[in-house]
Amino acid sequence: DAGVIQSPRHEVTEMGQEVTLRCKPISGHDYLFWYRQTMMRGLELLIYFNNNVPIDDSGMPEDRFSAKMPNASFSTLKIQPSEPRDSAVYFCASSRTGGSAEAFFGQGTRLTVV
Amino acid sequence: AQKITQTQPGMFVQEKEAVTLDCTYDTSDPSYGLFWYKQPSSGEMIFLIYQGSYDQQNATEGRYSLNFQKARKSANLVISASQLGDSAMYFCATRLQGAQKLVFGQGTRLTINP
Repeated sequence: DAGVIQSPRHEVTEMGQEVTLRCKPISGHDYLFWYRQTMMRGLELLIYFNNNVPIDDSGMPEDRFSAKMPNASFSTLKIQPSEPRDSAVYFCASSRTGGSAEAFFGQGTRLTVV
Repeated sequence: AQKITQTQPGMFVQEKEAVTLDCTYDTSDPSYGLFWYKQPSSGEMIFLIYQGSYDQQNATEGRYSLNFQKARKSANLVISASQLGDSAMYFCATRLQGAQKLVFGQGTRLTINP
C-alpha cells in the first residue's frame, strides 16, 4: 500500500482565501484523523471519522474549519477564510479499529497563510 | 480527559549510549494504550512501539523498549545503542479504550552527537 497520501505537500495562500487540504487513507482503515502541528501547540487533533462519519470534532478551532469524508478513500479539510494563525503543518492519519492499532500518518501539508 | 506530559524539551546524547525519554500520563480509565512516534527533520511521523495497560511485560521492538510503570503512570522510551539517525523529535501518545483518537505529548527533541 502507498500509505496515507496528502495533497498538496505545500500551500501558500493569502489571508482570506479558501484552502482545501486532501487526504487518501490506507485502504481498509476505518478511522481517519486530522491533526495540526505548530510549535506553540504541538500536535492537536482537529477531527476524526469512523466509517466516514465524524465522531469528534471538538478540536476544530472555529467555524472557519470544516472537514468531510464523502467516501472511505477520501477526506478534505477546508479553511474558509484562511488567516495567518492557521499556518501550520496539517497531518492526516488513518488506522484500523483496535486499541493497539497504530495510526499511520501522511507526509503532511505545510500551510502558510500570508 | 487524557493528558500526556513529556518534561524534556531537548536531550543531547553521545552516539552508542542508551537514552531514556520520559513520558507520564494522566487518566482514570483502567484500559488504555501508549504509543511512541518518531518525527525526523523530514517531518513524517513514524510509529515505534506500543504498550497496552494490561500488558504484563514491557514492550520491545529492536533497539526500542518501553519502561512501563503503571503505578507511576509512566511510559518511558528507552533507545539502546543510540545512532546518529536517532536524532529526531519523539512523541508519546495515549489512547483510551473506546476512543480511537491518539492524544500526544509536546515531544522531546533528541540529538545524538558523534
